[in-house]
Amino acid sequence: GAVVSQHPSWVICKSGTSVKIECRSLDFQATTMFWYRQFPKQSLMLMATSNEGSKATYEQGVEKDKFLINHASLTLSTLTVTSAHPEDSSFYICSARDTSGTGMSETQYFGPGTRLLVL
Amino acid sequence: GQNIDQPTEMTATEGAIVQINCTYQTSGFNGLFWYQQHAGEAPTFLSYNVLDGLEEKGRFSSFLSRSKGYSYLLLKELQMKDSASYLCALMDSNYQLIWGAGTKLIIKP
Repeated sequence: GAVVSQHPSWVICKSGTSVKIECRSLDFQATTMFWYRQFPKQSLMLMATSNEGSKATYEQGVEKDKFLINHASLTLSTLTVTSAHPEDSSFYICSARDTSGTGMSETQYFGPGTRLLVL
Repeated sequence: GQNIDQPTEMTATEGAIVQINCTYQTSGFNGLFWYQQHAGEAPTFLSYNVLDGLEEKGRFSSFLSRSKGYSYLLLKELQMKDSASYLCALMDSNYQLIWGAGTKLIIKP
């Protein structure tokens, strides 16, 4: 149980294009999902907290107009990197919190990540 | 505020035991997590402690002392595949995870 998928796993795009990354909880409902970014050999950095049916909460320094988050259902959140630039190249990882009420409901389960390379 | 400290890097021998420590300061506490992250991959959940004591799960065990702001992850019978970064994460009063920088564990034959 507690499987989170991400799609795509790899994206290479030209500077100025927009990229959408999907995060799905496959076997549980997640009212809250999280988006992280990780640069090589650095710690996870929380970008935003996504709540189903409401606006995402962004961490300080993260541009909400550049990183658009939509959490339209209990199993799907999307992150769109708008007008991507080479400095946006990174490993983007989502996680979902199992809020079904069984077991460890506060545990975050991570998707496999999406590598974005902007040329 | 919150603060989490764990060693940057540790080295251990295959078949041995290693203990990775994590100390924290926080005003609100809803549990402590340990995650494993192999290079180039996303973190995977290992353990969750919210009460004091030791939780054992196969070769991995996790300990928590809330009064001391201290946790450790114990790995027994080390295997080469255990080479990874181990992330300590504190859940604060808002149920947000505060991440440590991670401990890179190197296993030598």
